[in-house]
This record gives sequence, structure tokens and C-alpha cells, in this order.
Amino acid sequence: DGGITQSPKYLFRKEGQNVTLSCEQNLNHDAMYWYRQDPGQGLRLIYYSQIVNDFQKGDIAEGYSVSREKKESFPLTVTSAQKNPTAFYLCASSSVGVGNEQFFGPGTRLTVL
Amino acid sequence: AQRVTQPEKLLSVFKGAPVELKCNYSYSGSPELFWYVQYSRQRLQLLLRHISRESIKGFTADLNKGETSFHLKKPFAQEEDSAMYYCASSGSARQLTFGSGTQLTVLP
Repeated sequence: DGGITQSPKYLFRKEGQNVTLSCEQNLNHDAMYWYRQDPGQGLRLIYYSQIVNDFQKGDIAEGYSVSREKKESFPLTVTSAQKNPTAFYLCASSSVGVGNEQFFGPGTRLTVL
Repeated sequence: AQRVTQPEKLLSVFKGAPVELKCNYSYSGSPELFWYVQYSRQRLQLLLRHISRESIKGFTADLNKGETSFHLKKPFAQEEDSAMYYCASSGSARQLTFGSGTQLTVLP
């Protein structure tokens, strides 16, 4: 596996703290995505970006923020405003265009203590 | 808003038996439909997409616009097919909407 990496693999946070999850890709993809995966709910889109310096909210953006300063990087910040942040977070990337395959990272499991 | 429904959270079949994982979508236009798979300890990856009309690892999926379905089928299940399967659709906005997933277990 290569191409898209996420770090760290496991992350623990105290309530009230912001935390940033890293996502990097070397696939030269323009589009990047963040999903949250919860048992029994599948993947839900948090934010996505189709070009550098631009991003849009997904279905569950409240309590999250992102930036896209470089094509290769799309970090996700889970803020203290996110009411239920404990989850598995997946980053993905793809070429821009309808029907293009998304390539996924290995994920980060965030636990709020 | 798009919705993708996978009615079965868990599905068990015996090796060699046919398997069908159900997927229904709601979208008024012409969506692109996909099946993604996550094997144990591996990343989520694309299995197949309807636009390619391909068969991957013996799996096929036919888009039925009348029933708004995109069920995944395999005539003879193998133990290595055990995994979590997600159906997904992509509409005009290009993002994927995923179903809740079906955990397939193929019993020996």
C-alpha cells in the first residue's frame, strides 16, 4: 500500500481539545475527501476539496475544519465543538470527474477520553 | 439528497453457494454506482462500478433503474470473499454517498 497515508493510526484526545489528523497523497490527485466511519452507519462525508485552496462541506461538517494549502495534503481538525468525535476517520483522493475511483488511506481511530 | 440503502447488515452463506448483496438508491437523475470492499486489515477499495460493466473476482452488479437497485451477485461464494461491502452512488455533485454496509461471511 502506498499513495495515500494518514497519521497517526490511533489518537487520543481529552474533551475540549482540538486535534488535527493528517492526510497526504502522492497520486497527483486533485480531489481529496474526509469521511467518518461509525458502526452501522457506513461512511459519511465530512469535507471535500476538488482543488487547492478550495473545499466544501459534506453532510456532517459541523465541528470539523479543513485546509488545502497544498495539492498533496488535506488535514482535518476535529474541534471541541464536535459533540461526538470518537470515530474512525478515513481520507480519500481521486481524479476530478464523475465516476472516478476514490483511493482510501488506512484511517485514523480517534478516541476522546 | 441522495440515499443509498443496504438492508442487510450481516449476511452469511456457505462456500459454493450463490450470494447477493442488496443495494437500493434514491436519485432522480442518472447516478454512477459503485461497490467498495474492505477485507480484514486492509483498506477500503473499489470492487466494481456499473459504468465499466465488468466482473471482478466473479462479482457482477446490474443497474436496474426501474427498481433503483444495484445488487451485487456472485454465483459461487468463496471464503476469501468474506469482507465488508459498501454500495455507493455519485450524482451530479461528484461526491460519493455510501450505504451502511453489509458484512459478508462465507462459511466453510
